[in-house]
Amino acid sequence: DIQLTQSPSFLSASVGDRVTITCRASQDITSYLAWYQQKPGKAPKLLIYSASTLQSGVPSRFSGSGSGTEFTLTINSLQPEDFATYYCQQLNSFPYTFGQGTKLEIK
Amino acid sequence: QLQLQESGRGLVKPSETLSLTCSVSGGSISNRTDYWGWIRQPPGKGLEWVGTIYYSGSTYYNPSLKSRVTILLDMSKNQFSLRLTSVTAADTAVYYCARLTSGWRSRQFDYWGQGTLVTVSS
Repeated sequence: DIQLTQSPSFLSASVGDRVTITCRASQDITSYLAWYQQKPGKAPKLLIYSASTLQSGVPSRFSGSGSGTEFTLTINSLQPEDFATYYCQQLNSFPYTFGQGTKLEIK
Repeated sequence: QLQLQESGRGLVKPSETLSLTCSVSGGSISNRTDYWGWIRQPPGKGLEWVGTIYYSGSTYYNPSLKSRVTILLDMSKNQFSLRLTSVTAADTAVYYCARLTSGWRSRQFDYWGQGTLVTVSS
């Protein structure tokens, strides 16, 4: 199985900050990586797919980059509604796997 | 707008079978660009992919669930289902159904149901 390791696991930031979350894969997954945002009691919401393509309707302050084994999710100018848990997922090969999550909290 | 809705028993006894249905509206499960899947999340923990099915009936399961899992399509009702046998407390989780869209160099779960909590307890 392909392991995904997100860092950091917890992140404390303020409204207006720029934050970056990293997702490292245990083997090459080309660009088959997605990022999701999850708020308590809610289903995950797709933010980014194919490593860098913004899902329709997602604010442009979210961006993704990377290929191969290292990927990043960047959020520019954090808004109050961005405080949530973020997951990466590889869809290069079965079994599809998720990172352990990064919880973004308000400082 | 595509919508997915999970339904099924919320409490299952150990060693019994968990059965859930995902009803799809606003789109057809027979669309050739789409796959349909289940993802689960134990309370307070991360996400785990359970399995995926294609309109043709081809299935892909998480090996961690071994031979306990079955996903089926019901084209007549525009639904797909999850069956997990011999459950234990470790199967207690929120179960989500979702659409997996596949395109040129892209695959992503873009529509999700709201999730349903299944508790395994006697």
